[in-house]
Amino acid sequence: EAGVAQSPRYKIIEKRQSVAFWCNPISGHATLYWYQQILGQGPKLLIQFQNNGVVDDSQLPKDRFSAERLKGVDSTLKIQPAKLEDSAVYLCASSVTAATYEQYFGPGTRLTVT
Amino acid sequence: GQQVMQIPQYQHVQEGEDFTTYCNSSTTLSNIQWYKQRPGGHPVFLIQLVKSGEVKKQKRLTFQFGEAKKNSSLHITATQTTDVGTYFCAGHGSSNTGKLIFGQGTTLQVKP
Repeated sequence: EAGVAQSPRYKIIEKRQSVAFWCNPISGHATLYWYQQILGQGPKLLIQFQNNGVVDDSQLPKDRFSAERLKGVDSTLKIQPAKLEDSAVYLCASSVTAATYEQYFGPGTRLTVT
Repeated sequence: GQQVMQIPQYQHVQEGEDFTTYCNSSTTLSNIQWYKQRPGGHPVFLIQLVKSGEVKKQKRLTFQFGEAKKNSSLHITATQTTDVGTYFCAGHGSSNTGKLIFGQGTTLQVKP
């Protein structure tokens, strides 16, 4: 079974530029999550999708971050414009449903904003 | 809002010694999950605890969920170098929407 795929793996941009990350969850997983993990901290949920609907985006900085999962499968997370404090690893995860199932994480995208 | 705290933040042990990390939530949890993240890697699911007072074992790892469902612990017996990494607890609140609140993790270093 293929795992969660993410791209790119690394990205370096200057502040005020825009960037987009892509995630393809495990086939059949209805729930998709985007996390931000700052060095030395635990993952922080940015947004959670159930199929193509948003379940929780309470911690998503909506003035600069956006995410979509149009067909209920793969997803993109965008930052525009980026700030220095956005430097982090962006992790995508998926689970069977939004209930209490384990989450499977992708390898992450390491973003550096200079 | 709900917070999940872990202690200690770092632990250095000699290979063969035991290791324990503790997790405390500000609110009652419907369940708690534990993940391991190797250096440079991504979190990998270890186990889920659901019942009050539940204890589960995986080889040298023992997981406990507190009676009040607000705390949990992970104990590793006779650590090995392969145990190196950061261990995160993550709690589901009572809403059961799937939103996990992660602790800040305990990073384990094992000296051979």
